[in-house]
Amino acid sequence: LAKTTQPISMDSYEGQEVNITCSHNNIATNDYITWYQQFPSQGPRFIIQGYKTKVTNEVASLFIPADRKSSTLSLPRVSLSDTAVYYCLVGDMTGNNRKLIWGLGTSLAVNP
Amino acid sequence: GAVVSQHPSWVICKSGTSVKIECRSLDFQATTMFWYRQFPKQSLMLMATSNEGSKATYEQGVEKDKFLINHASLTLSTLTVTSAHPEDSSFYICSATTVAAENTGELFFGEGSRLTVL
Repeated sequence: LAKTTQPISMDSYEGQEVNITCSHNNIATNDYITWYQQFPSQGPRFIIQGYKTKVTNEVASLFIPADRKSSTLSLPRVSLSDTAVYYCLVGDMTGNNRKLIWGLGTSLAVNP
Repeated sequence: GAVVSQHPSWVICKSGTSVKIECRSLDFQATTMFWYRQFPKQSLMLMATSNEGSKATYEQGVEKDKFLINHASLTLSTLTVTSAHPEDSSFYICSATTVAAENTGELFFGEGSRLTVL
């Protein structure tokens, strides 16, 4: 299972773009990269998932370079409600092999 | 999207008693559910994988006789913390995936259940 490394914390201000980078040097060929958001005392919420290049949805973009050894979650124009912990996970989620190792995540604080 | 609901959202119990936490997939059938535990300021730790109609698979270090998991139907899995002690106080979270999401592995999480053992 690939291990991920991401900054422990980040600070930002409302309206800014926030980029959180995750390193996963040992990513395997079948592994996908998935990001989750977690608010205090709540279960995590899926944000975005990708395998390579760029993925965009209504809340975020995910940039993955060709070597796939890192990925960057981009949150456009953050608001106070985006203050949360963001987890980067890497793994092969197909079939019964859905064991993922959760790191400490990145605690994002959005300030007014 | 797929909705997973946990009950209760919080529970306080006396040491030595047992507590049951329910995890339901409200609008989909979940053949596999996962149970996690999260201590304050720490990350999620997978406790066990629950498959409908079969015994749960526990992670190393998780006592199967203490944390009883039952997955009797495609929409319900339960976690029973038996003879709870203060060190079992934690945030317990379940997750599930849908048939449609199996290829992507997207997990849907419940709201979590906070257990406090006095």
